[in-house]
Amino acid sequence: QVQLQESGPGLVKPSETLSLTCTVSGGSVSSNSYYWSWIRQPPGKGLEWIGDIYYSGSTNHNPSLKSRVIISIDTSKNQFSLKLTSVTAADTAVYYCARDQRPPRGWFDPWGQGTLVTVSS
Amino acid sequence: QSVLTQPPSASGTPGQRITISCSGSSSNIGSNFVYWYQQLPGTAPKLLMYKNNQRPSGVPDRFSGSKSGTSASLAISGLRSEDEADYYCAAWDDSLRGPVFGGGTILTVL
Repeated sequence: QVQLQESGPGLVKPSETLSLTCTVSGGSVSSNSYYWSWIRQPPGKGLEWIGDIYYSGSTNHNPSLKSRVIISIDTSKNQFSLKLTSVTAADTAVYYCARDQRPPRGWFDPWGQGTLVTVSS
Repeated sequence: QSVLTQPPSASGTPGQRITISCSGSSSNIGSNFVYWYQQLPGTAPKLLMYKNNQRPSGVPDRFSGSKSGTSASLAISGLRSEDEADYYCAAWDDSLRGPVFGGGTILTVL
């Protein structure tokens, strides 16, 4: 049973960089069958796809986040990570990591439990 | 504004059948599979339906999905109190080159 777990600071100051890591257990991020994704949910709002990474290191991201997103993968630690630069209060959200099929895409299963990141001084 | 359109709320009484709609366009629902996610209060979303109408192991057959053209629907029959949750539809969007979600539907069991 594949499980994902997010970790990282729960509080980030405005203009700084949000950094989160997703640790995968029961499966391998080196699999060529999946993409590894980040999705967020602002308090009381809906889901927004942030971006994803393939085991090869190839990445995709939501154009709405422009060039603020950096996603990386560490196959030796079976982890993948998210960096979101120049954060503002609008980036306050619960951040989830999830596994996505390759293809078809949009098939997120499983999800991590999520971690709340608050952007505040 | 979400790319996929869902009603913000739905409600029903125990035992009733309800449907939740999800409307998109030719670049997403019209040309790709639809997925549904259930988010119980205070928890992470969970895959409820994949490839339009396929239920993952463990999802009761009270839940069913359908798709027609650029719209999709999730039906829940024999409504139960534990079905109270937020429901989200999702699909890959060929134009945006990424998955898009609906705004979510809050289901209340009266």
